[in-house]
Amino acid sequence: NAGVTQTPKFRVLKTGQSMTLLCAQDMNHEYMYWYRQDPGMGLRLIHYSVGEGTTAKGEVPDGYNVSRLKKQNFLLGLESAAPSQTSVYFCASSYSDRSYEQYFGPGTRLTVT
Amino acid sequence: AQSVTQLDSQVPVFEEAPVELRCNYSSSVSVYLFWYVQYPNQGLQLLLKYLSGSTLVKGINGFEAEFNKSQTSFHLRKPSVHISDTAEYFCAVSRTGGYQKVTFGIGTKLQVIP
Repeated sequence: NAGVTQTPKFRVLKTGQSMTLLCAQDMNHEYMYWYRQDPGMGLRLIHYSVGEGTTAKGEVPDGYNVSRLKKQNFLLGLESAAPSQTSVYFCASSYSDRSYEQYFGPGTRLTVT
Repeated sequence: AQSVTQLDSQVPVFEEAPVELRCNYSSSVSVYLFWYVQYPNQGLQLLLKYLSGSTLVKGINGFEAEFNKSQTSFHLRKPSVHISDTAEYFCAVSRTGGYQKVTFGIGTKLQVIP
């Protein structure tokens, strides 16, 4: 099992550019999450999904969109990147009856200049 | 709403010494409590969890934590640390029942000094 994988690992964008981060899990988890991690702020939930075809907003959803067309994939999109979106992005997944026990991917380090 | 406070942002400790990482939480309802560990350049992984029952829970790598309801604390301890324990540790809380958002603390960096 690969667990949770994220693509790409690193990316540099210019302000206004767009990109999509891909998360994939092979554990048949129902729930998936996108977090951002910033120094001194811990992890903040951007969006999450409780099943294929569903998405919901987390704490800091502005400037991001998500889609979950397939159960195993959860995409995070930035339509017009801003320097404030410079961060490390983590995807996670969990079973529906154990949403507290999340399995994390290795992260994507994004820099917006 | 629930919240988590990790009282120390950094904790330096000598190898083979004991360590305690402090965590306090706030919630008006029953909660589950967790400690996650993040090694450099990796994602988080679950270290241990308290769901119910015994207030002393044991996790991986020799770590343990004690749930204290009256003090709303869930401190993480290890009697003797190793260099390989150098990492960032996150306390987290979730309400019980169904899907509940997990709220993470800001993290404590444990630096083990040889």
